[in-house]
Amino acid sequence: DAMVIQNPRYQVTQFGKPVTLSCSQTLNHNVMYWYQQKSSQAPKLLFHYYDKDFNNEADTPDNFQSRRPNTSFCFLDIRSPGLGDAAMYLCATSRAGSGMRTQYFGPGTRLTVL
Amino acid sequence: KNEVEQSPQNLTAQEGEFITINCSYSVGISALHWLQQHPGGGIVSLFMLSSGKKKHGRLIATINIQEKHSSLHITASHPRDSAVYICAVSPNTGNQFYFGTGTSLTVIP
Repeated sequence: DAMVIQNPRYQVTQFGKPVTLSCSQTLNHNVMYWYQQKSSQAPKLLFHYYDKDFNNEADTPDNFQSRRPNTSFCFLDIRSPGLGDAAMYLCATSRAGSGMRTQYFGPGTRLTVL
Repeated sequence: KNEVEQSPQNLTAQEGEFITINCSYSVGISALHWLQQHPGGGIVSLFMLSSGKKKHGRLIATINIQEKHSSLHITASHPRDSAVYICAVSPNTGNQFYFGTGTSLTVIP
C-alpha cells in the first residue's frame, strides 16, 4: 500500500499560472518535506514541517509556499511559476527526533511550465 | 560546501562487474542512507545504517563512522541496476537530511 502519495503525478501549467501540488501520507509521521529535483541533480530541500511548525530554507524563493492543514496532508503552492521552476517535486516524510529514522518518499510530481 | 560528497558522479559498467560507490560526509550523524532512483521514478530507500555492514541480495553497504565514509557495493551487476544512487545522512540534531549529488550508474549488457 502506498504510504506517501503525491497528486498529480504530472502537472502542466502556464507561465505565471498558480499551481498546487498535493502530498498525503498514511504513516502518521510528524515531519513532512518538500524537495525540488532538477535533472541530474540531488533533491534540494525547499521547506519542511515539524508538526505545524514551518521551516523554510533560506534560499527557497518566495514564489514557493506550503500549507499543512493536518498531519496527513501537505501542499506545495507555486504562486507564479517560471520556466526555471520546471522540475520534479518530491514529498517525503519521517518521524522526528534523533536516532535512526528513514525518510519515505512519494513518487514525485513532474511539473512542466509552458 | 556540501555536507555529503559522492564519487564517482557517473559510472558505466559491463554486466557482471563488481561496482563500488563511495560517500563521505562531514557532520555527525545518527544514520546514513543509500537511496535508489530510477529514471523518472521516485526514490526508494535501500539501506539505513549507523555502523558496520548490511547486505540485501546483491547489494552491500558499509560504513566507517570514524572515517566518516560509506560505500555501496553491487555484486554481479545487471542492467536493471542502472539508476541514480544517492547517499544521504540524517545529522545528530534537527529534522533535515543532507543529500549527496548522486552517482548515475549505467550497466551495459
